[in-house]
Amino acid sequence: NAGVTQTPKFRILKIGQSMTLQCAQDMNHNYMYWYRQDPGMGLKLIYYSVGAGITDKGEVPNGYNVSRSTTEDFPLRLELAAPSQTSVYFCASSNDVLNTGELFFGEGSRLTVL
Amino acid sequence: AQSVTQPDIHITVSEGASLELRCNYSYGATPYLFWYVQSPGQGLQLLLKYFSGDTLVQGIKGFEAEFKRSQSSFNLRKPSVHWSDAAEYFCAVGLKTSYDKVIFGPGTSLSVIP
Repeated sequence: NAGVTQTPKFRILKIGQSMTLQCAQDMNHNYMYWYRQDPGMGLKLIYYSVGAGITDKGEVPNGYNVSRSTTEDFPLRLELAAPSQTSVYFCASSNDVLNTGELFFGEGSRLTVL
Repeated sequence: AQSVTQPDIHITVSEGASLELRCNYSYGATPYLFWYVQSPGQGLQLLLKYFSGDTLVQGIKGFEAEFKRSQSSFNLRKPSVHWSDAAEYFCAVGLKTSYDKVIFGPGTSLSVIP
């Protein structure tokens, strides 16, 4: 059982480049989330999705875009990468998190922008 | 605005000693509350959750937490810490808005002295 799979695990970008972080889950969860984690800041919600075709902004959406064409996949797009986007990115999924209480996390993608 | 605070950035305890990690939240209604743990290089794992009912909740790995509405707190406790408990601990609040989402505090890093 793979759970939540994120790729790549590590990536170095130059300022102004673009890239997509991939996230896939095989648990048939409706909800999917993207967080970024910076030292001393905890996890900040970037975007989330409640199902295919439905996405919404979180706390820190600027500089990112998402799409949700299938239940399984929730890619995060970085356009015109900036040093401020250097972070560890976590994808998570859930079915009705406010009843089950559990977010299932991927292992994270460490991005460095130079 | 809703927020989660964890006053202690870093705590060091001796193995076998008791532990209390503090968490305060700012939210109008009774929130959904969680504690997650993150081991080095890993994603987050749910320790315990509070939705309603008994204000003292038990979790995995011998952890418990107590919800105190009057203090807007949800502190995590463990009677006797083991070296394997060294990790980052995150308090989180579940928000029932248009869509369900989870907001995390900044985290407390726990070190355990043998």
